[in-house]
Amino acid sequence: AQRVTQPEKLLSVFKGAPVELKCNYSYSGSPELFWYVQYSRQRLQLLLRHISRESIKGFTADLNKGETSFHLKKPFAQEEDSAMYYCALNPYYGGATNKLIFGTGTLLAVQP
Amino acid sequence: GAVVSQHPSRVICKSGTSVKIECRSLDFQATTMFWYRQFPKQSLMLMATSNEGSKATYEQGVEKDKFLINHASLTLSTLTVTSAHPEDSSFYICSADRGTDSYEQYFGPGTRLTVT
Repeated sequence: AQRVTQPEKLLSVFKGAPVELKCNYSYSGSPELFWYVQYSRQRLQLLLRHISRESIKGFTADLNKGETSFHLKKPFAQEEDSAMYYCALNPYYGGATNKLIFGTGTLLAVQP
Repeated sequence: GAVVSQHPSRVICKSGTSVKIECRSLDFQATTMFWYRQFPKQSLMLMATSNEGSKATYEQGVEKDKFLINHASLTLSTLTVTSAHPEDSSFYICSADRGTDSYEQYFGPGTRLTVT
């Protein structure tokens, strides 16, 4: 079954500390993976996509097919990074639909 | 660009009545719109995928007669919760994409439905 697992419901770090939000997926094919973010009182928005291999707001994520992981990392957390982060998988990569399967989300709290 | 709106943002209805939620893409044409349901402190659960001019595709376990989806134009999809019950109370979120060449989904702000 297709599944996205985010083991941590809450991750609390101090400003300037490194951050790693974990995401593991279960899928037999070649998935397309994303991180979406939801800041307080705002709507869900795309943070980054594994294909683009970009660094957005200092965040990066590398797809590790061997470990079926797509962890989100940032070397130095900022208070404005506090938000809910969702890992998502599109099992129809390259296909006719952009259906997304979401993980349960991790709330990142960056303390001053 | 790529703004998605939902209306209403919050609705309270009585058990047994029906309620309609609208999802609009304001500045782009949405080939596909998606409807999600989010329970408190839980993930977004995809309910259905709707394409303009065709029937919606429902996820396993979602009652299509309970949650009626209409995608009448490239900028509007509606979700009607029929004969609502208190267990239908939830946060309903829609999203839209620009088509098969676009990977990004643009999300609406959500609609809080409370059935009394």
